[in-house]
Amino acid sequence: GAVVSQHPSWVICKSGTSVKIECRSLDFQATTMFWYRQFPKQSLMLMATSNEGSKATYEQGVEKDKFLINHASLTLSTLTVTSAHPEDSSFYICSARKATGSSGANVLTFGAGSRLTVL
Amino acid sequence: GIQVEQSPPDLILQEGANSTLRCNFSDSVNNLQWFHQNPWGQLINLFYIPSGTKQNGRLSATTVATERYSLLYISSSQTTDSGVYFCAVEIRQAGTALIFGKGTTLSVSS
Repeated sequence: GAVVSQHPSWVICKSGTSVKIECRSLDFQATTMFWYRQFPKQSLMLMATSNEGSKATYEQGVEKDKFLINHASLTLSTLTVTSAHPEDSSFYICSARKATGSSGANVLTFGAGSRLTVL
Repeated sequence: GIQVEQSPPDLILQEGANSTLRCNFSDSVNNLQWFHQNPWGQLINLFYIPSGTKQNGRLSATTVATERYSLLYISSSQTTDSGVYFCAVEIRQAGTALIFGKGTTLSVSS
């Protein structure tokens, strides 16, 4: 099956610091990965689409300079929250799609999420 | 953009009861998935069901794409079924993300 690993699961940082979250597809190549954000008791909101080897596409209202996304390989995408502030505290979840044409390419697989707390 | 509406928002059941969760969407979709989010936040994929009917144990799902809705059936509910159930759809364009509904919070008591 398709497995997506996300690291770290939990992170606490001081206001003003930067935090990097990794999303890895363990047993498949992912040309496209997606980053979501979820506030308590709310739904998942799409932040950006990450395509291997190109710039990420951000959803309206998401600051690209605040949330830096890098998709340097077919198995790894990273989200860096720069100069984090308490309002950035949230649950961040990534998902990955297999390369087009491969078996199961229509099904998105999700990581376990990363809970960020900014003090 | 596409709208995804789930009902009911909250559902409280006694163990053993059956339930139906509904998902309406406003446009044609290429993909529809049902998820269960556990207390730790992990999204568990229940069904990939852009159309038709599927069953997996006590769970089954039906999507009527022409009428733009999907139903998730839970039979003989157990306390472990508690959590949030999300419906998510992908619009008819390859490679796009899933757009999530607001979810149904299910509480099953013994």
